[in-house]
Amino acid sequence: QQKVQQSPESLIVPEGAMTSLNCTFSDSASQYFAWYRQHSGKAPKALMSIFSNGEKEEGRFTIHLNKASLHFSLHIRDSQPSDSALYLCAVTSGGNYKPTFGKGTSLVVHP
Amino acid sequence: VTLLEQNPRWRLVPRGQAVNLRCILKNSQYPWMSWYQQDLQKQLQWLFTLRSPGDKEVKSLPGADYLATRVTDTELRLQVANMSQGRTLYCTCSGEGWGRDTQYFGPGTRLLVL
Repeated sequence: QQKVQQSPESLIVPEGAMTSLNCTFSDSASQYFAWYRQHSGKAPKALMSIFSNGEKEEGRFTIHLNKASLHFSLHIRDSQPSDSALYLCAVTSGGNYKPTFGKGTSLVVHP
Repeated sequence: VTLLEQNPRWRLVPRGQAVNLRCILKNSQYPWMSWYQQDLQKQLQWLFTLRSPGDKEVKSLPGADYLATRVTDTELRLQVANMSQGRTLYCTCSGEGWGRDTQYFGPGTRLLVL
């Protein structure tokens, strides 16, 4: 059964900092990897996804995926107070497209 | 533009009573519809993905039993029974299966146990 773990559980960074969030998974056959953001009291929102090794950048957000080390990460450049939220990573095991989520990282960006 | 409408938005559920939730899709370009639950500790869990009218699935998880039905191309339903702890249920839609296209969340239905 797929296990997905996120670190750290919580993080406080100053405005303008680079923020790095981590996600590890257990199934080496995993195919799709995604990050979601959830502001307090709101529904989750899909941020980015990736399915091949390497890096993908969209604006201030970058995903790194290393399937061999069973690890992917989200990096936020020039973090803003509006980035303060719960960040969830999700992974699908090969072939079934049924995502498993981590427990989340709570990010606070202070002005 | 709101893609998904969920109702009710919240409900107090007496212990042992079932509740029926609806999700209405506003844009048929995103026909892959799913249900997710988020518990009080914010753990998000995929429940079902139903693509075609007539599709039905059941699932029993710690804390609740579920029956999901794809009623039409634009309506998805979820019956929640035997709920022992509160949770929020989210409906989602996408153009293709998970991971292959952007997934959009509805506003959610918050269930509290009386």
